[in-house]
Formats: sequence, C-alpha cells, structure tokens
Amino acid sequence: DAGITQSPRYKITETGRQVTLMCHQTWSHSYMFWYRQDLGHGLRLIYYSAAADITDKGEVPDGYVVSRSKTENFPLTLESATRSQTSVYFCASSARREETQYFGPGTRLLVL
Amino acid sequence: AQTVTQSQPEMSVQEAETVTLSCTYDTSENNYYLFWYKQPPSRQMILVIRQEAYKQQNATENRFSVNFQKAAKSFSLKISDSQLGDTAMYFCAFMKWVGSNTDKLIFGTGTRLQVFP
Repeated sequence: DAGITQSPRYKITETGRQVTLMCHQTWSHSYMFWYRQDLGHGLRLIYYSAAADITDKGEVPDGYVVSRSKTENFPLTLESATRSQTSVYFCASSARREETQYFGPGTRLLVL
Repeated sequence: AQTVTQSQPEMSVQEAETVTLSCTYDTSENNYYLFWYKQPPSRQMILVIRQEAYKQQNATENRFSVNFQKAAKSFSLKISDSQLGDTAMYFCAFMKWVGSNTDKLIFGTGTRLQVFP
C-alpha cells in the first residue's frame, strides 16, 4: 500500500533552472493538490486538480506550472526557479473535494 | 475570506498528562469541515481528526478529541494521556463544504507541541 509518494525528497538547484517535482498516488483519488510550507505561513495551496486534465490555481500559483495527464500523477514544475521558491513542497490527494486530504512525505527544495 | 488562527506557537506537556491546543476560525459559511493535522519531525502531514460543521457531536479518535463550538468559531484539540510520539507541529485547517470555486484547505500557522518524559 504505497499511498502517496513524492520525488525527489530533497533537491538543490540554481536560480533560473527548471525543476519538476513528482507526485504519485495509488488510491485513484480524483483530487490532487500541491502546497508549499514556509515558516510563518503554514501551508499554502499552489495548484489543485479535480480530475485528469482539469487543474486550477490556488493561493500562490505564480512561477509554477502543473499538468495532470493521468489520474495518479500530478507533477509540479518550476519553470525558472527563484530563491523565493525555496520551501518544502507537499502533495496531497482526496477522493472527493470535501473528503480528507492525505499528504505525501514532502520535497525539500533549495534554490541557490 | 476564511482565516484560521492558532494563538499558541508552542506548548509543552508531560507524558501521560492532558493538553489542549486552541484554534479559532472566521467564516460566513454555515457548512464546512475542520481538521487537525500532525506534522512530526519527519515532515509528513498526518490527519489526526476531522469534524463536519453540521454535526453537533464532537469528533473523537482514540486519545484525541475536539471541542467544537460553532457559535464561537472555536475548534480545540485535546490530547489525553500524552505520549512522546505526540511531539510534533499541529495544524488546524478549515475547508468550505460545497459551492466553492477553490475548495482549498486553509491552514493555521501551527502549534509546536513538545511532550516531556
């Protein structure tokens, strides 16, 4: 029972580079979410997806791109990484929008 | 806009004792969900307990229970018989039920709980 996984767990990159964070869930949940966690801000929603090929912006979408060609995968891409995108990124999924969200283990990203 | 406030940045409790973490929220919605999530040092977010606003009965999950006061917009978490493994950051979160364009979880800034032996 793999649940929800994220890769890589740790990533160091440089300003201006493109970075893709992967998220995979084995429950066939319809909804998937990307959050970032920063000190003093708690968790903030970046993007979410209600189903394959359906995505929408959250609170802080600027500088990020998502896609969802398959139900089980929801990659997050930083097109041109900036230092302000240094953060811990969490992916989550839920069966329905009002259902409990289950979180992955997180990816710690450092942008130099 | 909805907001979630956790006014206790840090708390500590001795093993086997009881501790209560506070959470208040602001909303004009009548139907919504409230959650408590636990984030241990491993960083993974783990659901502790969930409460539907339309239910008057307080949710319980083993040693974890909530005191949900809808009129006061308060949602505190009580941990009974605290264990060392309860040491973590605890986040309170709010989500609108239906009729929302975003359906997002709104998180508080967290309370760091330390359980001492």
